[in-house]
Amino acid sequence: GAVVSQHPSRVICKSGTSVKIECRSLDFQATTMFWYRQFPKKSLMLMATSNEGSKATYEQGVEKDKFLINHASLTLSTLTVTSAHPEDSSFYICSAPWRDRRDSPLHFGNGTRLTVT
Amino acid sequence: AQSVAQPEDQVNVAEGNPLTVKCTYSVSGNPYLFWYVQYPNRGLQFLLKYITGDNLVKGSYGFEAEFNKSQTSFHLKKPSALVSDSALYFCAVRDPTSGTYKYIFGTGTRLKVLA
Repeated sequence: GAVVSQHPSRVICKSGTSVKIECRSLDFQATTMFWYRQFPKKSLMLMATSNEGSKATYEQGVEKDKFLINHASLTLSTLTVTSAHPEDSSFYICSAPWRDRRDSPLHFGNGTRLTVT
Repeated sequence: AQSVAQPEDQVNVAEGNPLTVKCTYSVSGNPYLFWYVQYPNRGLQFLLKYITGDNLVKGSYGFEAEFNKSQTSFHLKKPSALVSDSALYFCAVRDPTSGTYKYIFGTGTRLKVLA
């Protein structure tokens, strides 16, 4: 079945540094990928839609200069948290629809636990 | 606006008993509906979906869900719960008529199956 690989699974960084999270579709091509942030109370917040070969679409309230998204190929999207601060500590999850069809379910990476000290 | 509601923050059920996790939605037109499960520190896993056809859909791990158009609901069910079913469950909807592939997720329901 469709597999989405996300790395790293955990990262601890110092305040002010940048962190890059990679999301790869291993056995399918993903023209679209979604990046979510999950808060401790469990709700998922869609941050942005990553589009291969074009600019990402950010949700309202998400700073695009802080959360840089690049979708350089059909199998790789990256999220870079720039100048990270403790409030950016969270669980970040990427996902992609297996097929470019509206009835296709999402396949998720295993998430990245970011801790900013 | 599209929305999904999971009215229960947590559901507790004894092992072997039937379980139901509730979901209602608000979408204009005919929605695509999905259930996902999340285990601790992991991404979400797809369980099942309703697109069209039979109102009762069967999915992974013995789960099923019933689509009820008049009540705009898509409750997740399982006849006999296992302790290993304890996890976080998300209902999601897509509006197939929208120009976007965005999914709208509910707030999640934590299922606890007690031995």
